[in-house]
Amino acid sequence: DGGITQSPKYLFRKEGQNVTLSCEQNLNHDAMYWYRQDPGQGLRLIYYSQIVNDFQKGDIAEGYSVSREKKESFPLTVTSAQKNPTAFYLCASSIPGRNYEQYFGPGTRLTVT
Amino acid sequence: AQTVTQSQPEMSVQEAETVTLSCTYDTSESDYYLFWYKQPPSRQMILVIRQEAYKQQNATENRFSVNFQKAAKSFSLKISDSQLGDAAMYFCAYRNYNGNQFYFGTGTSLTVIP
Repeated sequence: DGGITQSPKYLFRKEGQNVTLSCEQNLNHDAMYWYRQDPGQGLRLIYYSQIVNDFQKGDIAEGYSVSREKKESFPLTVTSAQKNPTAFYLCASSIPGRNYEQYFGPGTRLTVT
Repeated sequence: AQTVTQSQPEMSVQEAETVTLSCTYDTSESDYYLFWYKQPPSRQMILVIRQEAYKQQNATENRFSVNFQKAAKSFSLKISDSQLGDAAMYFCAYRNYNGNQFYFGTGTSLTVIP
């Protein structure tokens, strides 16, 4: 079945450590996205990529980095520079173009202590 | 950037009754796309319904329908015959016509009372 996988579902890290969240899709979608979800703030865009080897910053990119070496994969690294990294992270993909919606992965809950 | 506003942080509805969730947006474009997503306690985002701005007819999907008022920039979701499984966070989203960016509202938490 086609879809988006994010692993792991729960991730725990110590403050000061970088951590990478995985996102893989087999939908053959060109565009991929990372969102952060905090209570009461909806989904905020961190980074997005419309094509391999290219990506753009979203509204809250500071303290995060991404890569897009393969069409299927769009990993997100939360660096130690991110001041409040504890959050729920959602990965999504879409077909470039008009009325196509985004498809979402199940999300990763990151807790940094 | 476009702004999407959901002014109702929380709503409740009796089982089998009808509820309407509000969404307004700000845009200078004439063509765009609007979506409602549902996020149940599992936190998996699920598409509920979509609307193309160039279509005058309101979209419907079974018990879910929208009231799209383009001039007012309003896109409300009506849930008829509410069921316990409808309890979730609902997000309104905007997609611009030629781009790949989606803009989300802050969500409305819907409680269904048995």
